[in-house]
Amino acid sequence: SQQGEEDPQALSIQEGENATMNCSYKTSINNLQWYRQNSGRGLVHLILIRSNEREKHSGRLRVTLDTSKKSSSLLITASRAADTASYFCATTLGGSNYKLTFGKGTLLTVNP
Amino acid sequence: GAGVSQSPRYKVAKRGQDVALRCDPISGHVSLFWYQQALGQGPEFLTYFQNEAQLDKSGLPSDRFFAERPEGSVSTLKIQRTQQEDSAVYLCAAGTLDTDTQYFGPGTRLTVL
Repeated sequence: SQQGEEDPQALSIQEGENATMNCSYKTSINNLQWYRQNSGRGLVHLILIRSNEREKHSGRLRVTLDTSKKSSSLLITASRAADTASYFCATTLGGSNYKLTFGKGTLLTVNP
Repeated sequence: GAGVSQSPRYKVAKRGQDVALRCDPISGHVSLFWYQQALGQGPEFLTYFQNEAQLDKSGLPSDRFFAERPEGSVSTLKIQRTQQEDSAVYLCAAGTLDTDTQYFGPGTRLTVL
């Protein structure tokens, strides 16, 4: 079973625009991570935000976490064609600091 | 090595055949994970090793699935008597005890005909 659910399922934007993806989850978490998966490749870790944090930045990425709403968002600013990929949120649940539970992902297409 | 490697990258099996999928984790990463990713879905946890000890195998879907890591480095995921529903990408990930970040290999795409 999958804990997280990303929204939207698919997103198509023009290069230079910002992309926002959302993730909702069901139970309390230790932390929430975002991963990127290019077609036919493994997952690449992007950013981790702990349950006691509200916002985190890494380069063009900005992640927010609202534990009261059990939701997170990933913002990619000034998108590039190379950002085209599927993006997954993954949580580690209370009592388990190792098992990642993934959502179904958002397919982002950045058109040049 | 610099990253997690998996072999083979692609495997086609006839229904009923046994398959073995290999994972070479990052040197020194004591944690090793296997995930199954069906088409259009996110990865789902299968099993977790800390060194050679299999600490969690709660995600293995049936007793046809077996994983081992005898020397605490290379791991093998074995699927016996494969079924069509076993078709998926099998991902291996490595990690350390002081971080929740996992480093994924490229995966093995298994197709059962």
